Amino acid sequence: DVKVTQSSRYLVKRTGEKVFLECVQDMDHENMFWYRQDPGLGLRLIYFSYDVKMKEKGDIPEGYSVSREKKERFSLILESASTNQTSMYLCASRNRGGGQPQHFGDGTRLSIL
Amino acid sequence: QKEVEQDPGPLSVPEGAIVSLNCTYSNSAFQYFMWYRQYSRKGPELLMYTYSSGNKEDGRFTAQVDKSSKYISLFIRDSQPSDSATYLCAMSVPGNQFYFGTGTSLTVIP
Repeated sequence: DVKVTQSSRYLVKRTGEKVFLECVQDMDHENMFWYRQDPGLGLRLIYFSYDVKMKEKGDIPEGYSVSREKKERFSLILESASTNQTSMYLCASRNRGGGQPQHFGDGTRLSIL
Repeated sequence: QKEVEQDPGPLSVPEGAIVSLNCTYSNSAFQYFMWYRQYSRKGPELLMYTYSSGNKEDGRFTAQVDKSSKYISLFIRDSQPSDSATYLCAMSVPGNQFYFGTGTSLTVIP
């Protein structure tokens, strides 16, 4: 089974802090994704990566950056956290090619105070 | 117009009922269709994955795709309280990003 592990289930930070969310997958997947999930808005794509050291902006990249130094790890960085970034953050990975489905981690519920 | 439309519910059914969950979409290029189940405070879990039109069955779950109507469905037979969750549809064009519905909340009452 595919396993996508997000380092924290719950996180509380203060406005202005730099926040790191970590995601690791164990299936040698090329593609990795970061979403945020908010009630009524569904999943919104923040950034994705096709391979190591590659990154592409999604639909809502403002205020975020990412890092992918190793194939199995994809990090999301909130440069200066703000209260409107309070959300559920989901990491996903998939194999390259065709319509291979995405597999998700259990999410990090992030609160910015 | 959103790429994918999904009725948010909530949907409440008695145990043993047949449940029908649906999504409509606007992009005729979509070829891959997925259903995810998301329990409270957990990530989405892949439930069904289909290519193009037709039906796919897995135990109590059946996924249907009607590309001519741009409509996909998930049927749950003999629903159980453990089926209570939010169900997300998703679809994609090969090599491109995925589009997700906002999810339908389902409660199965014992």
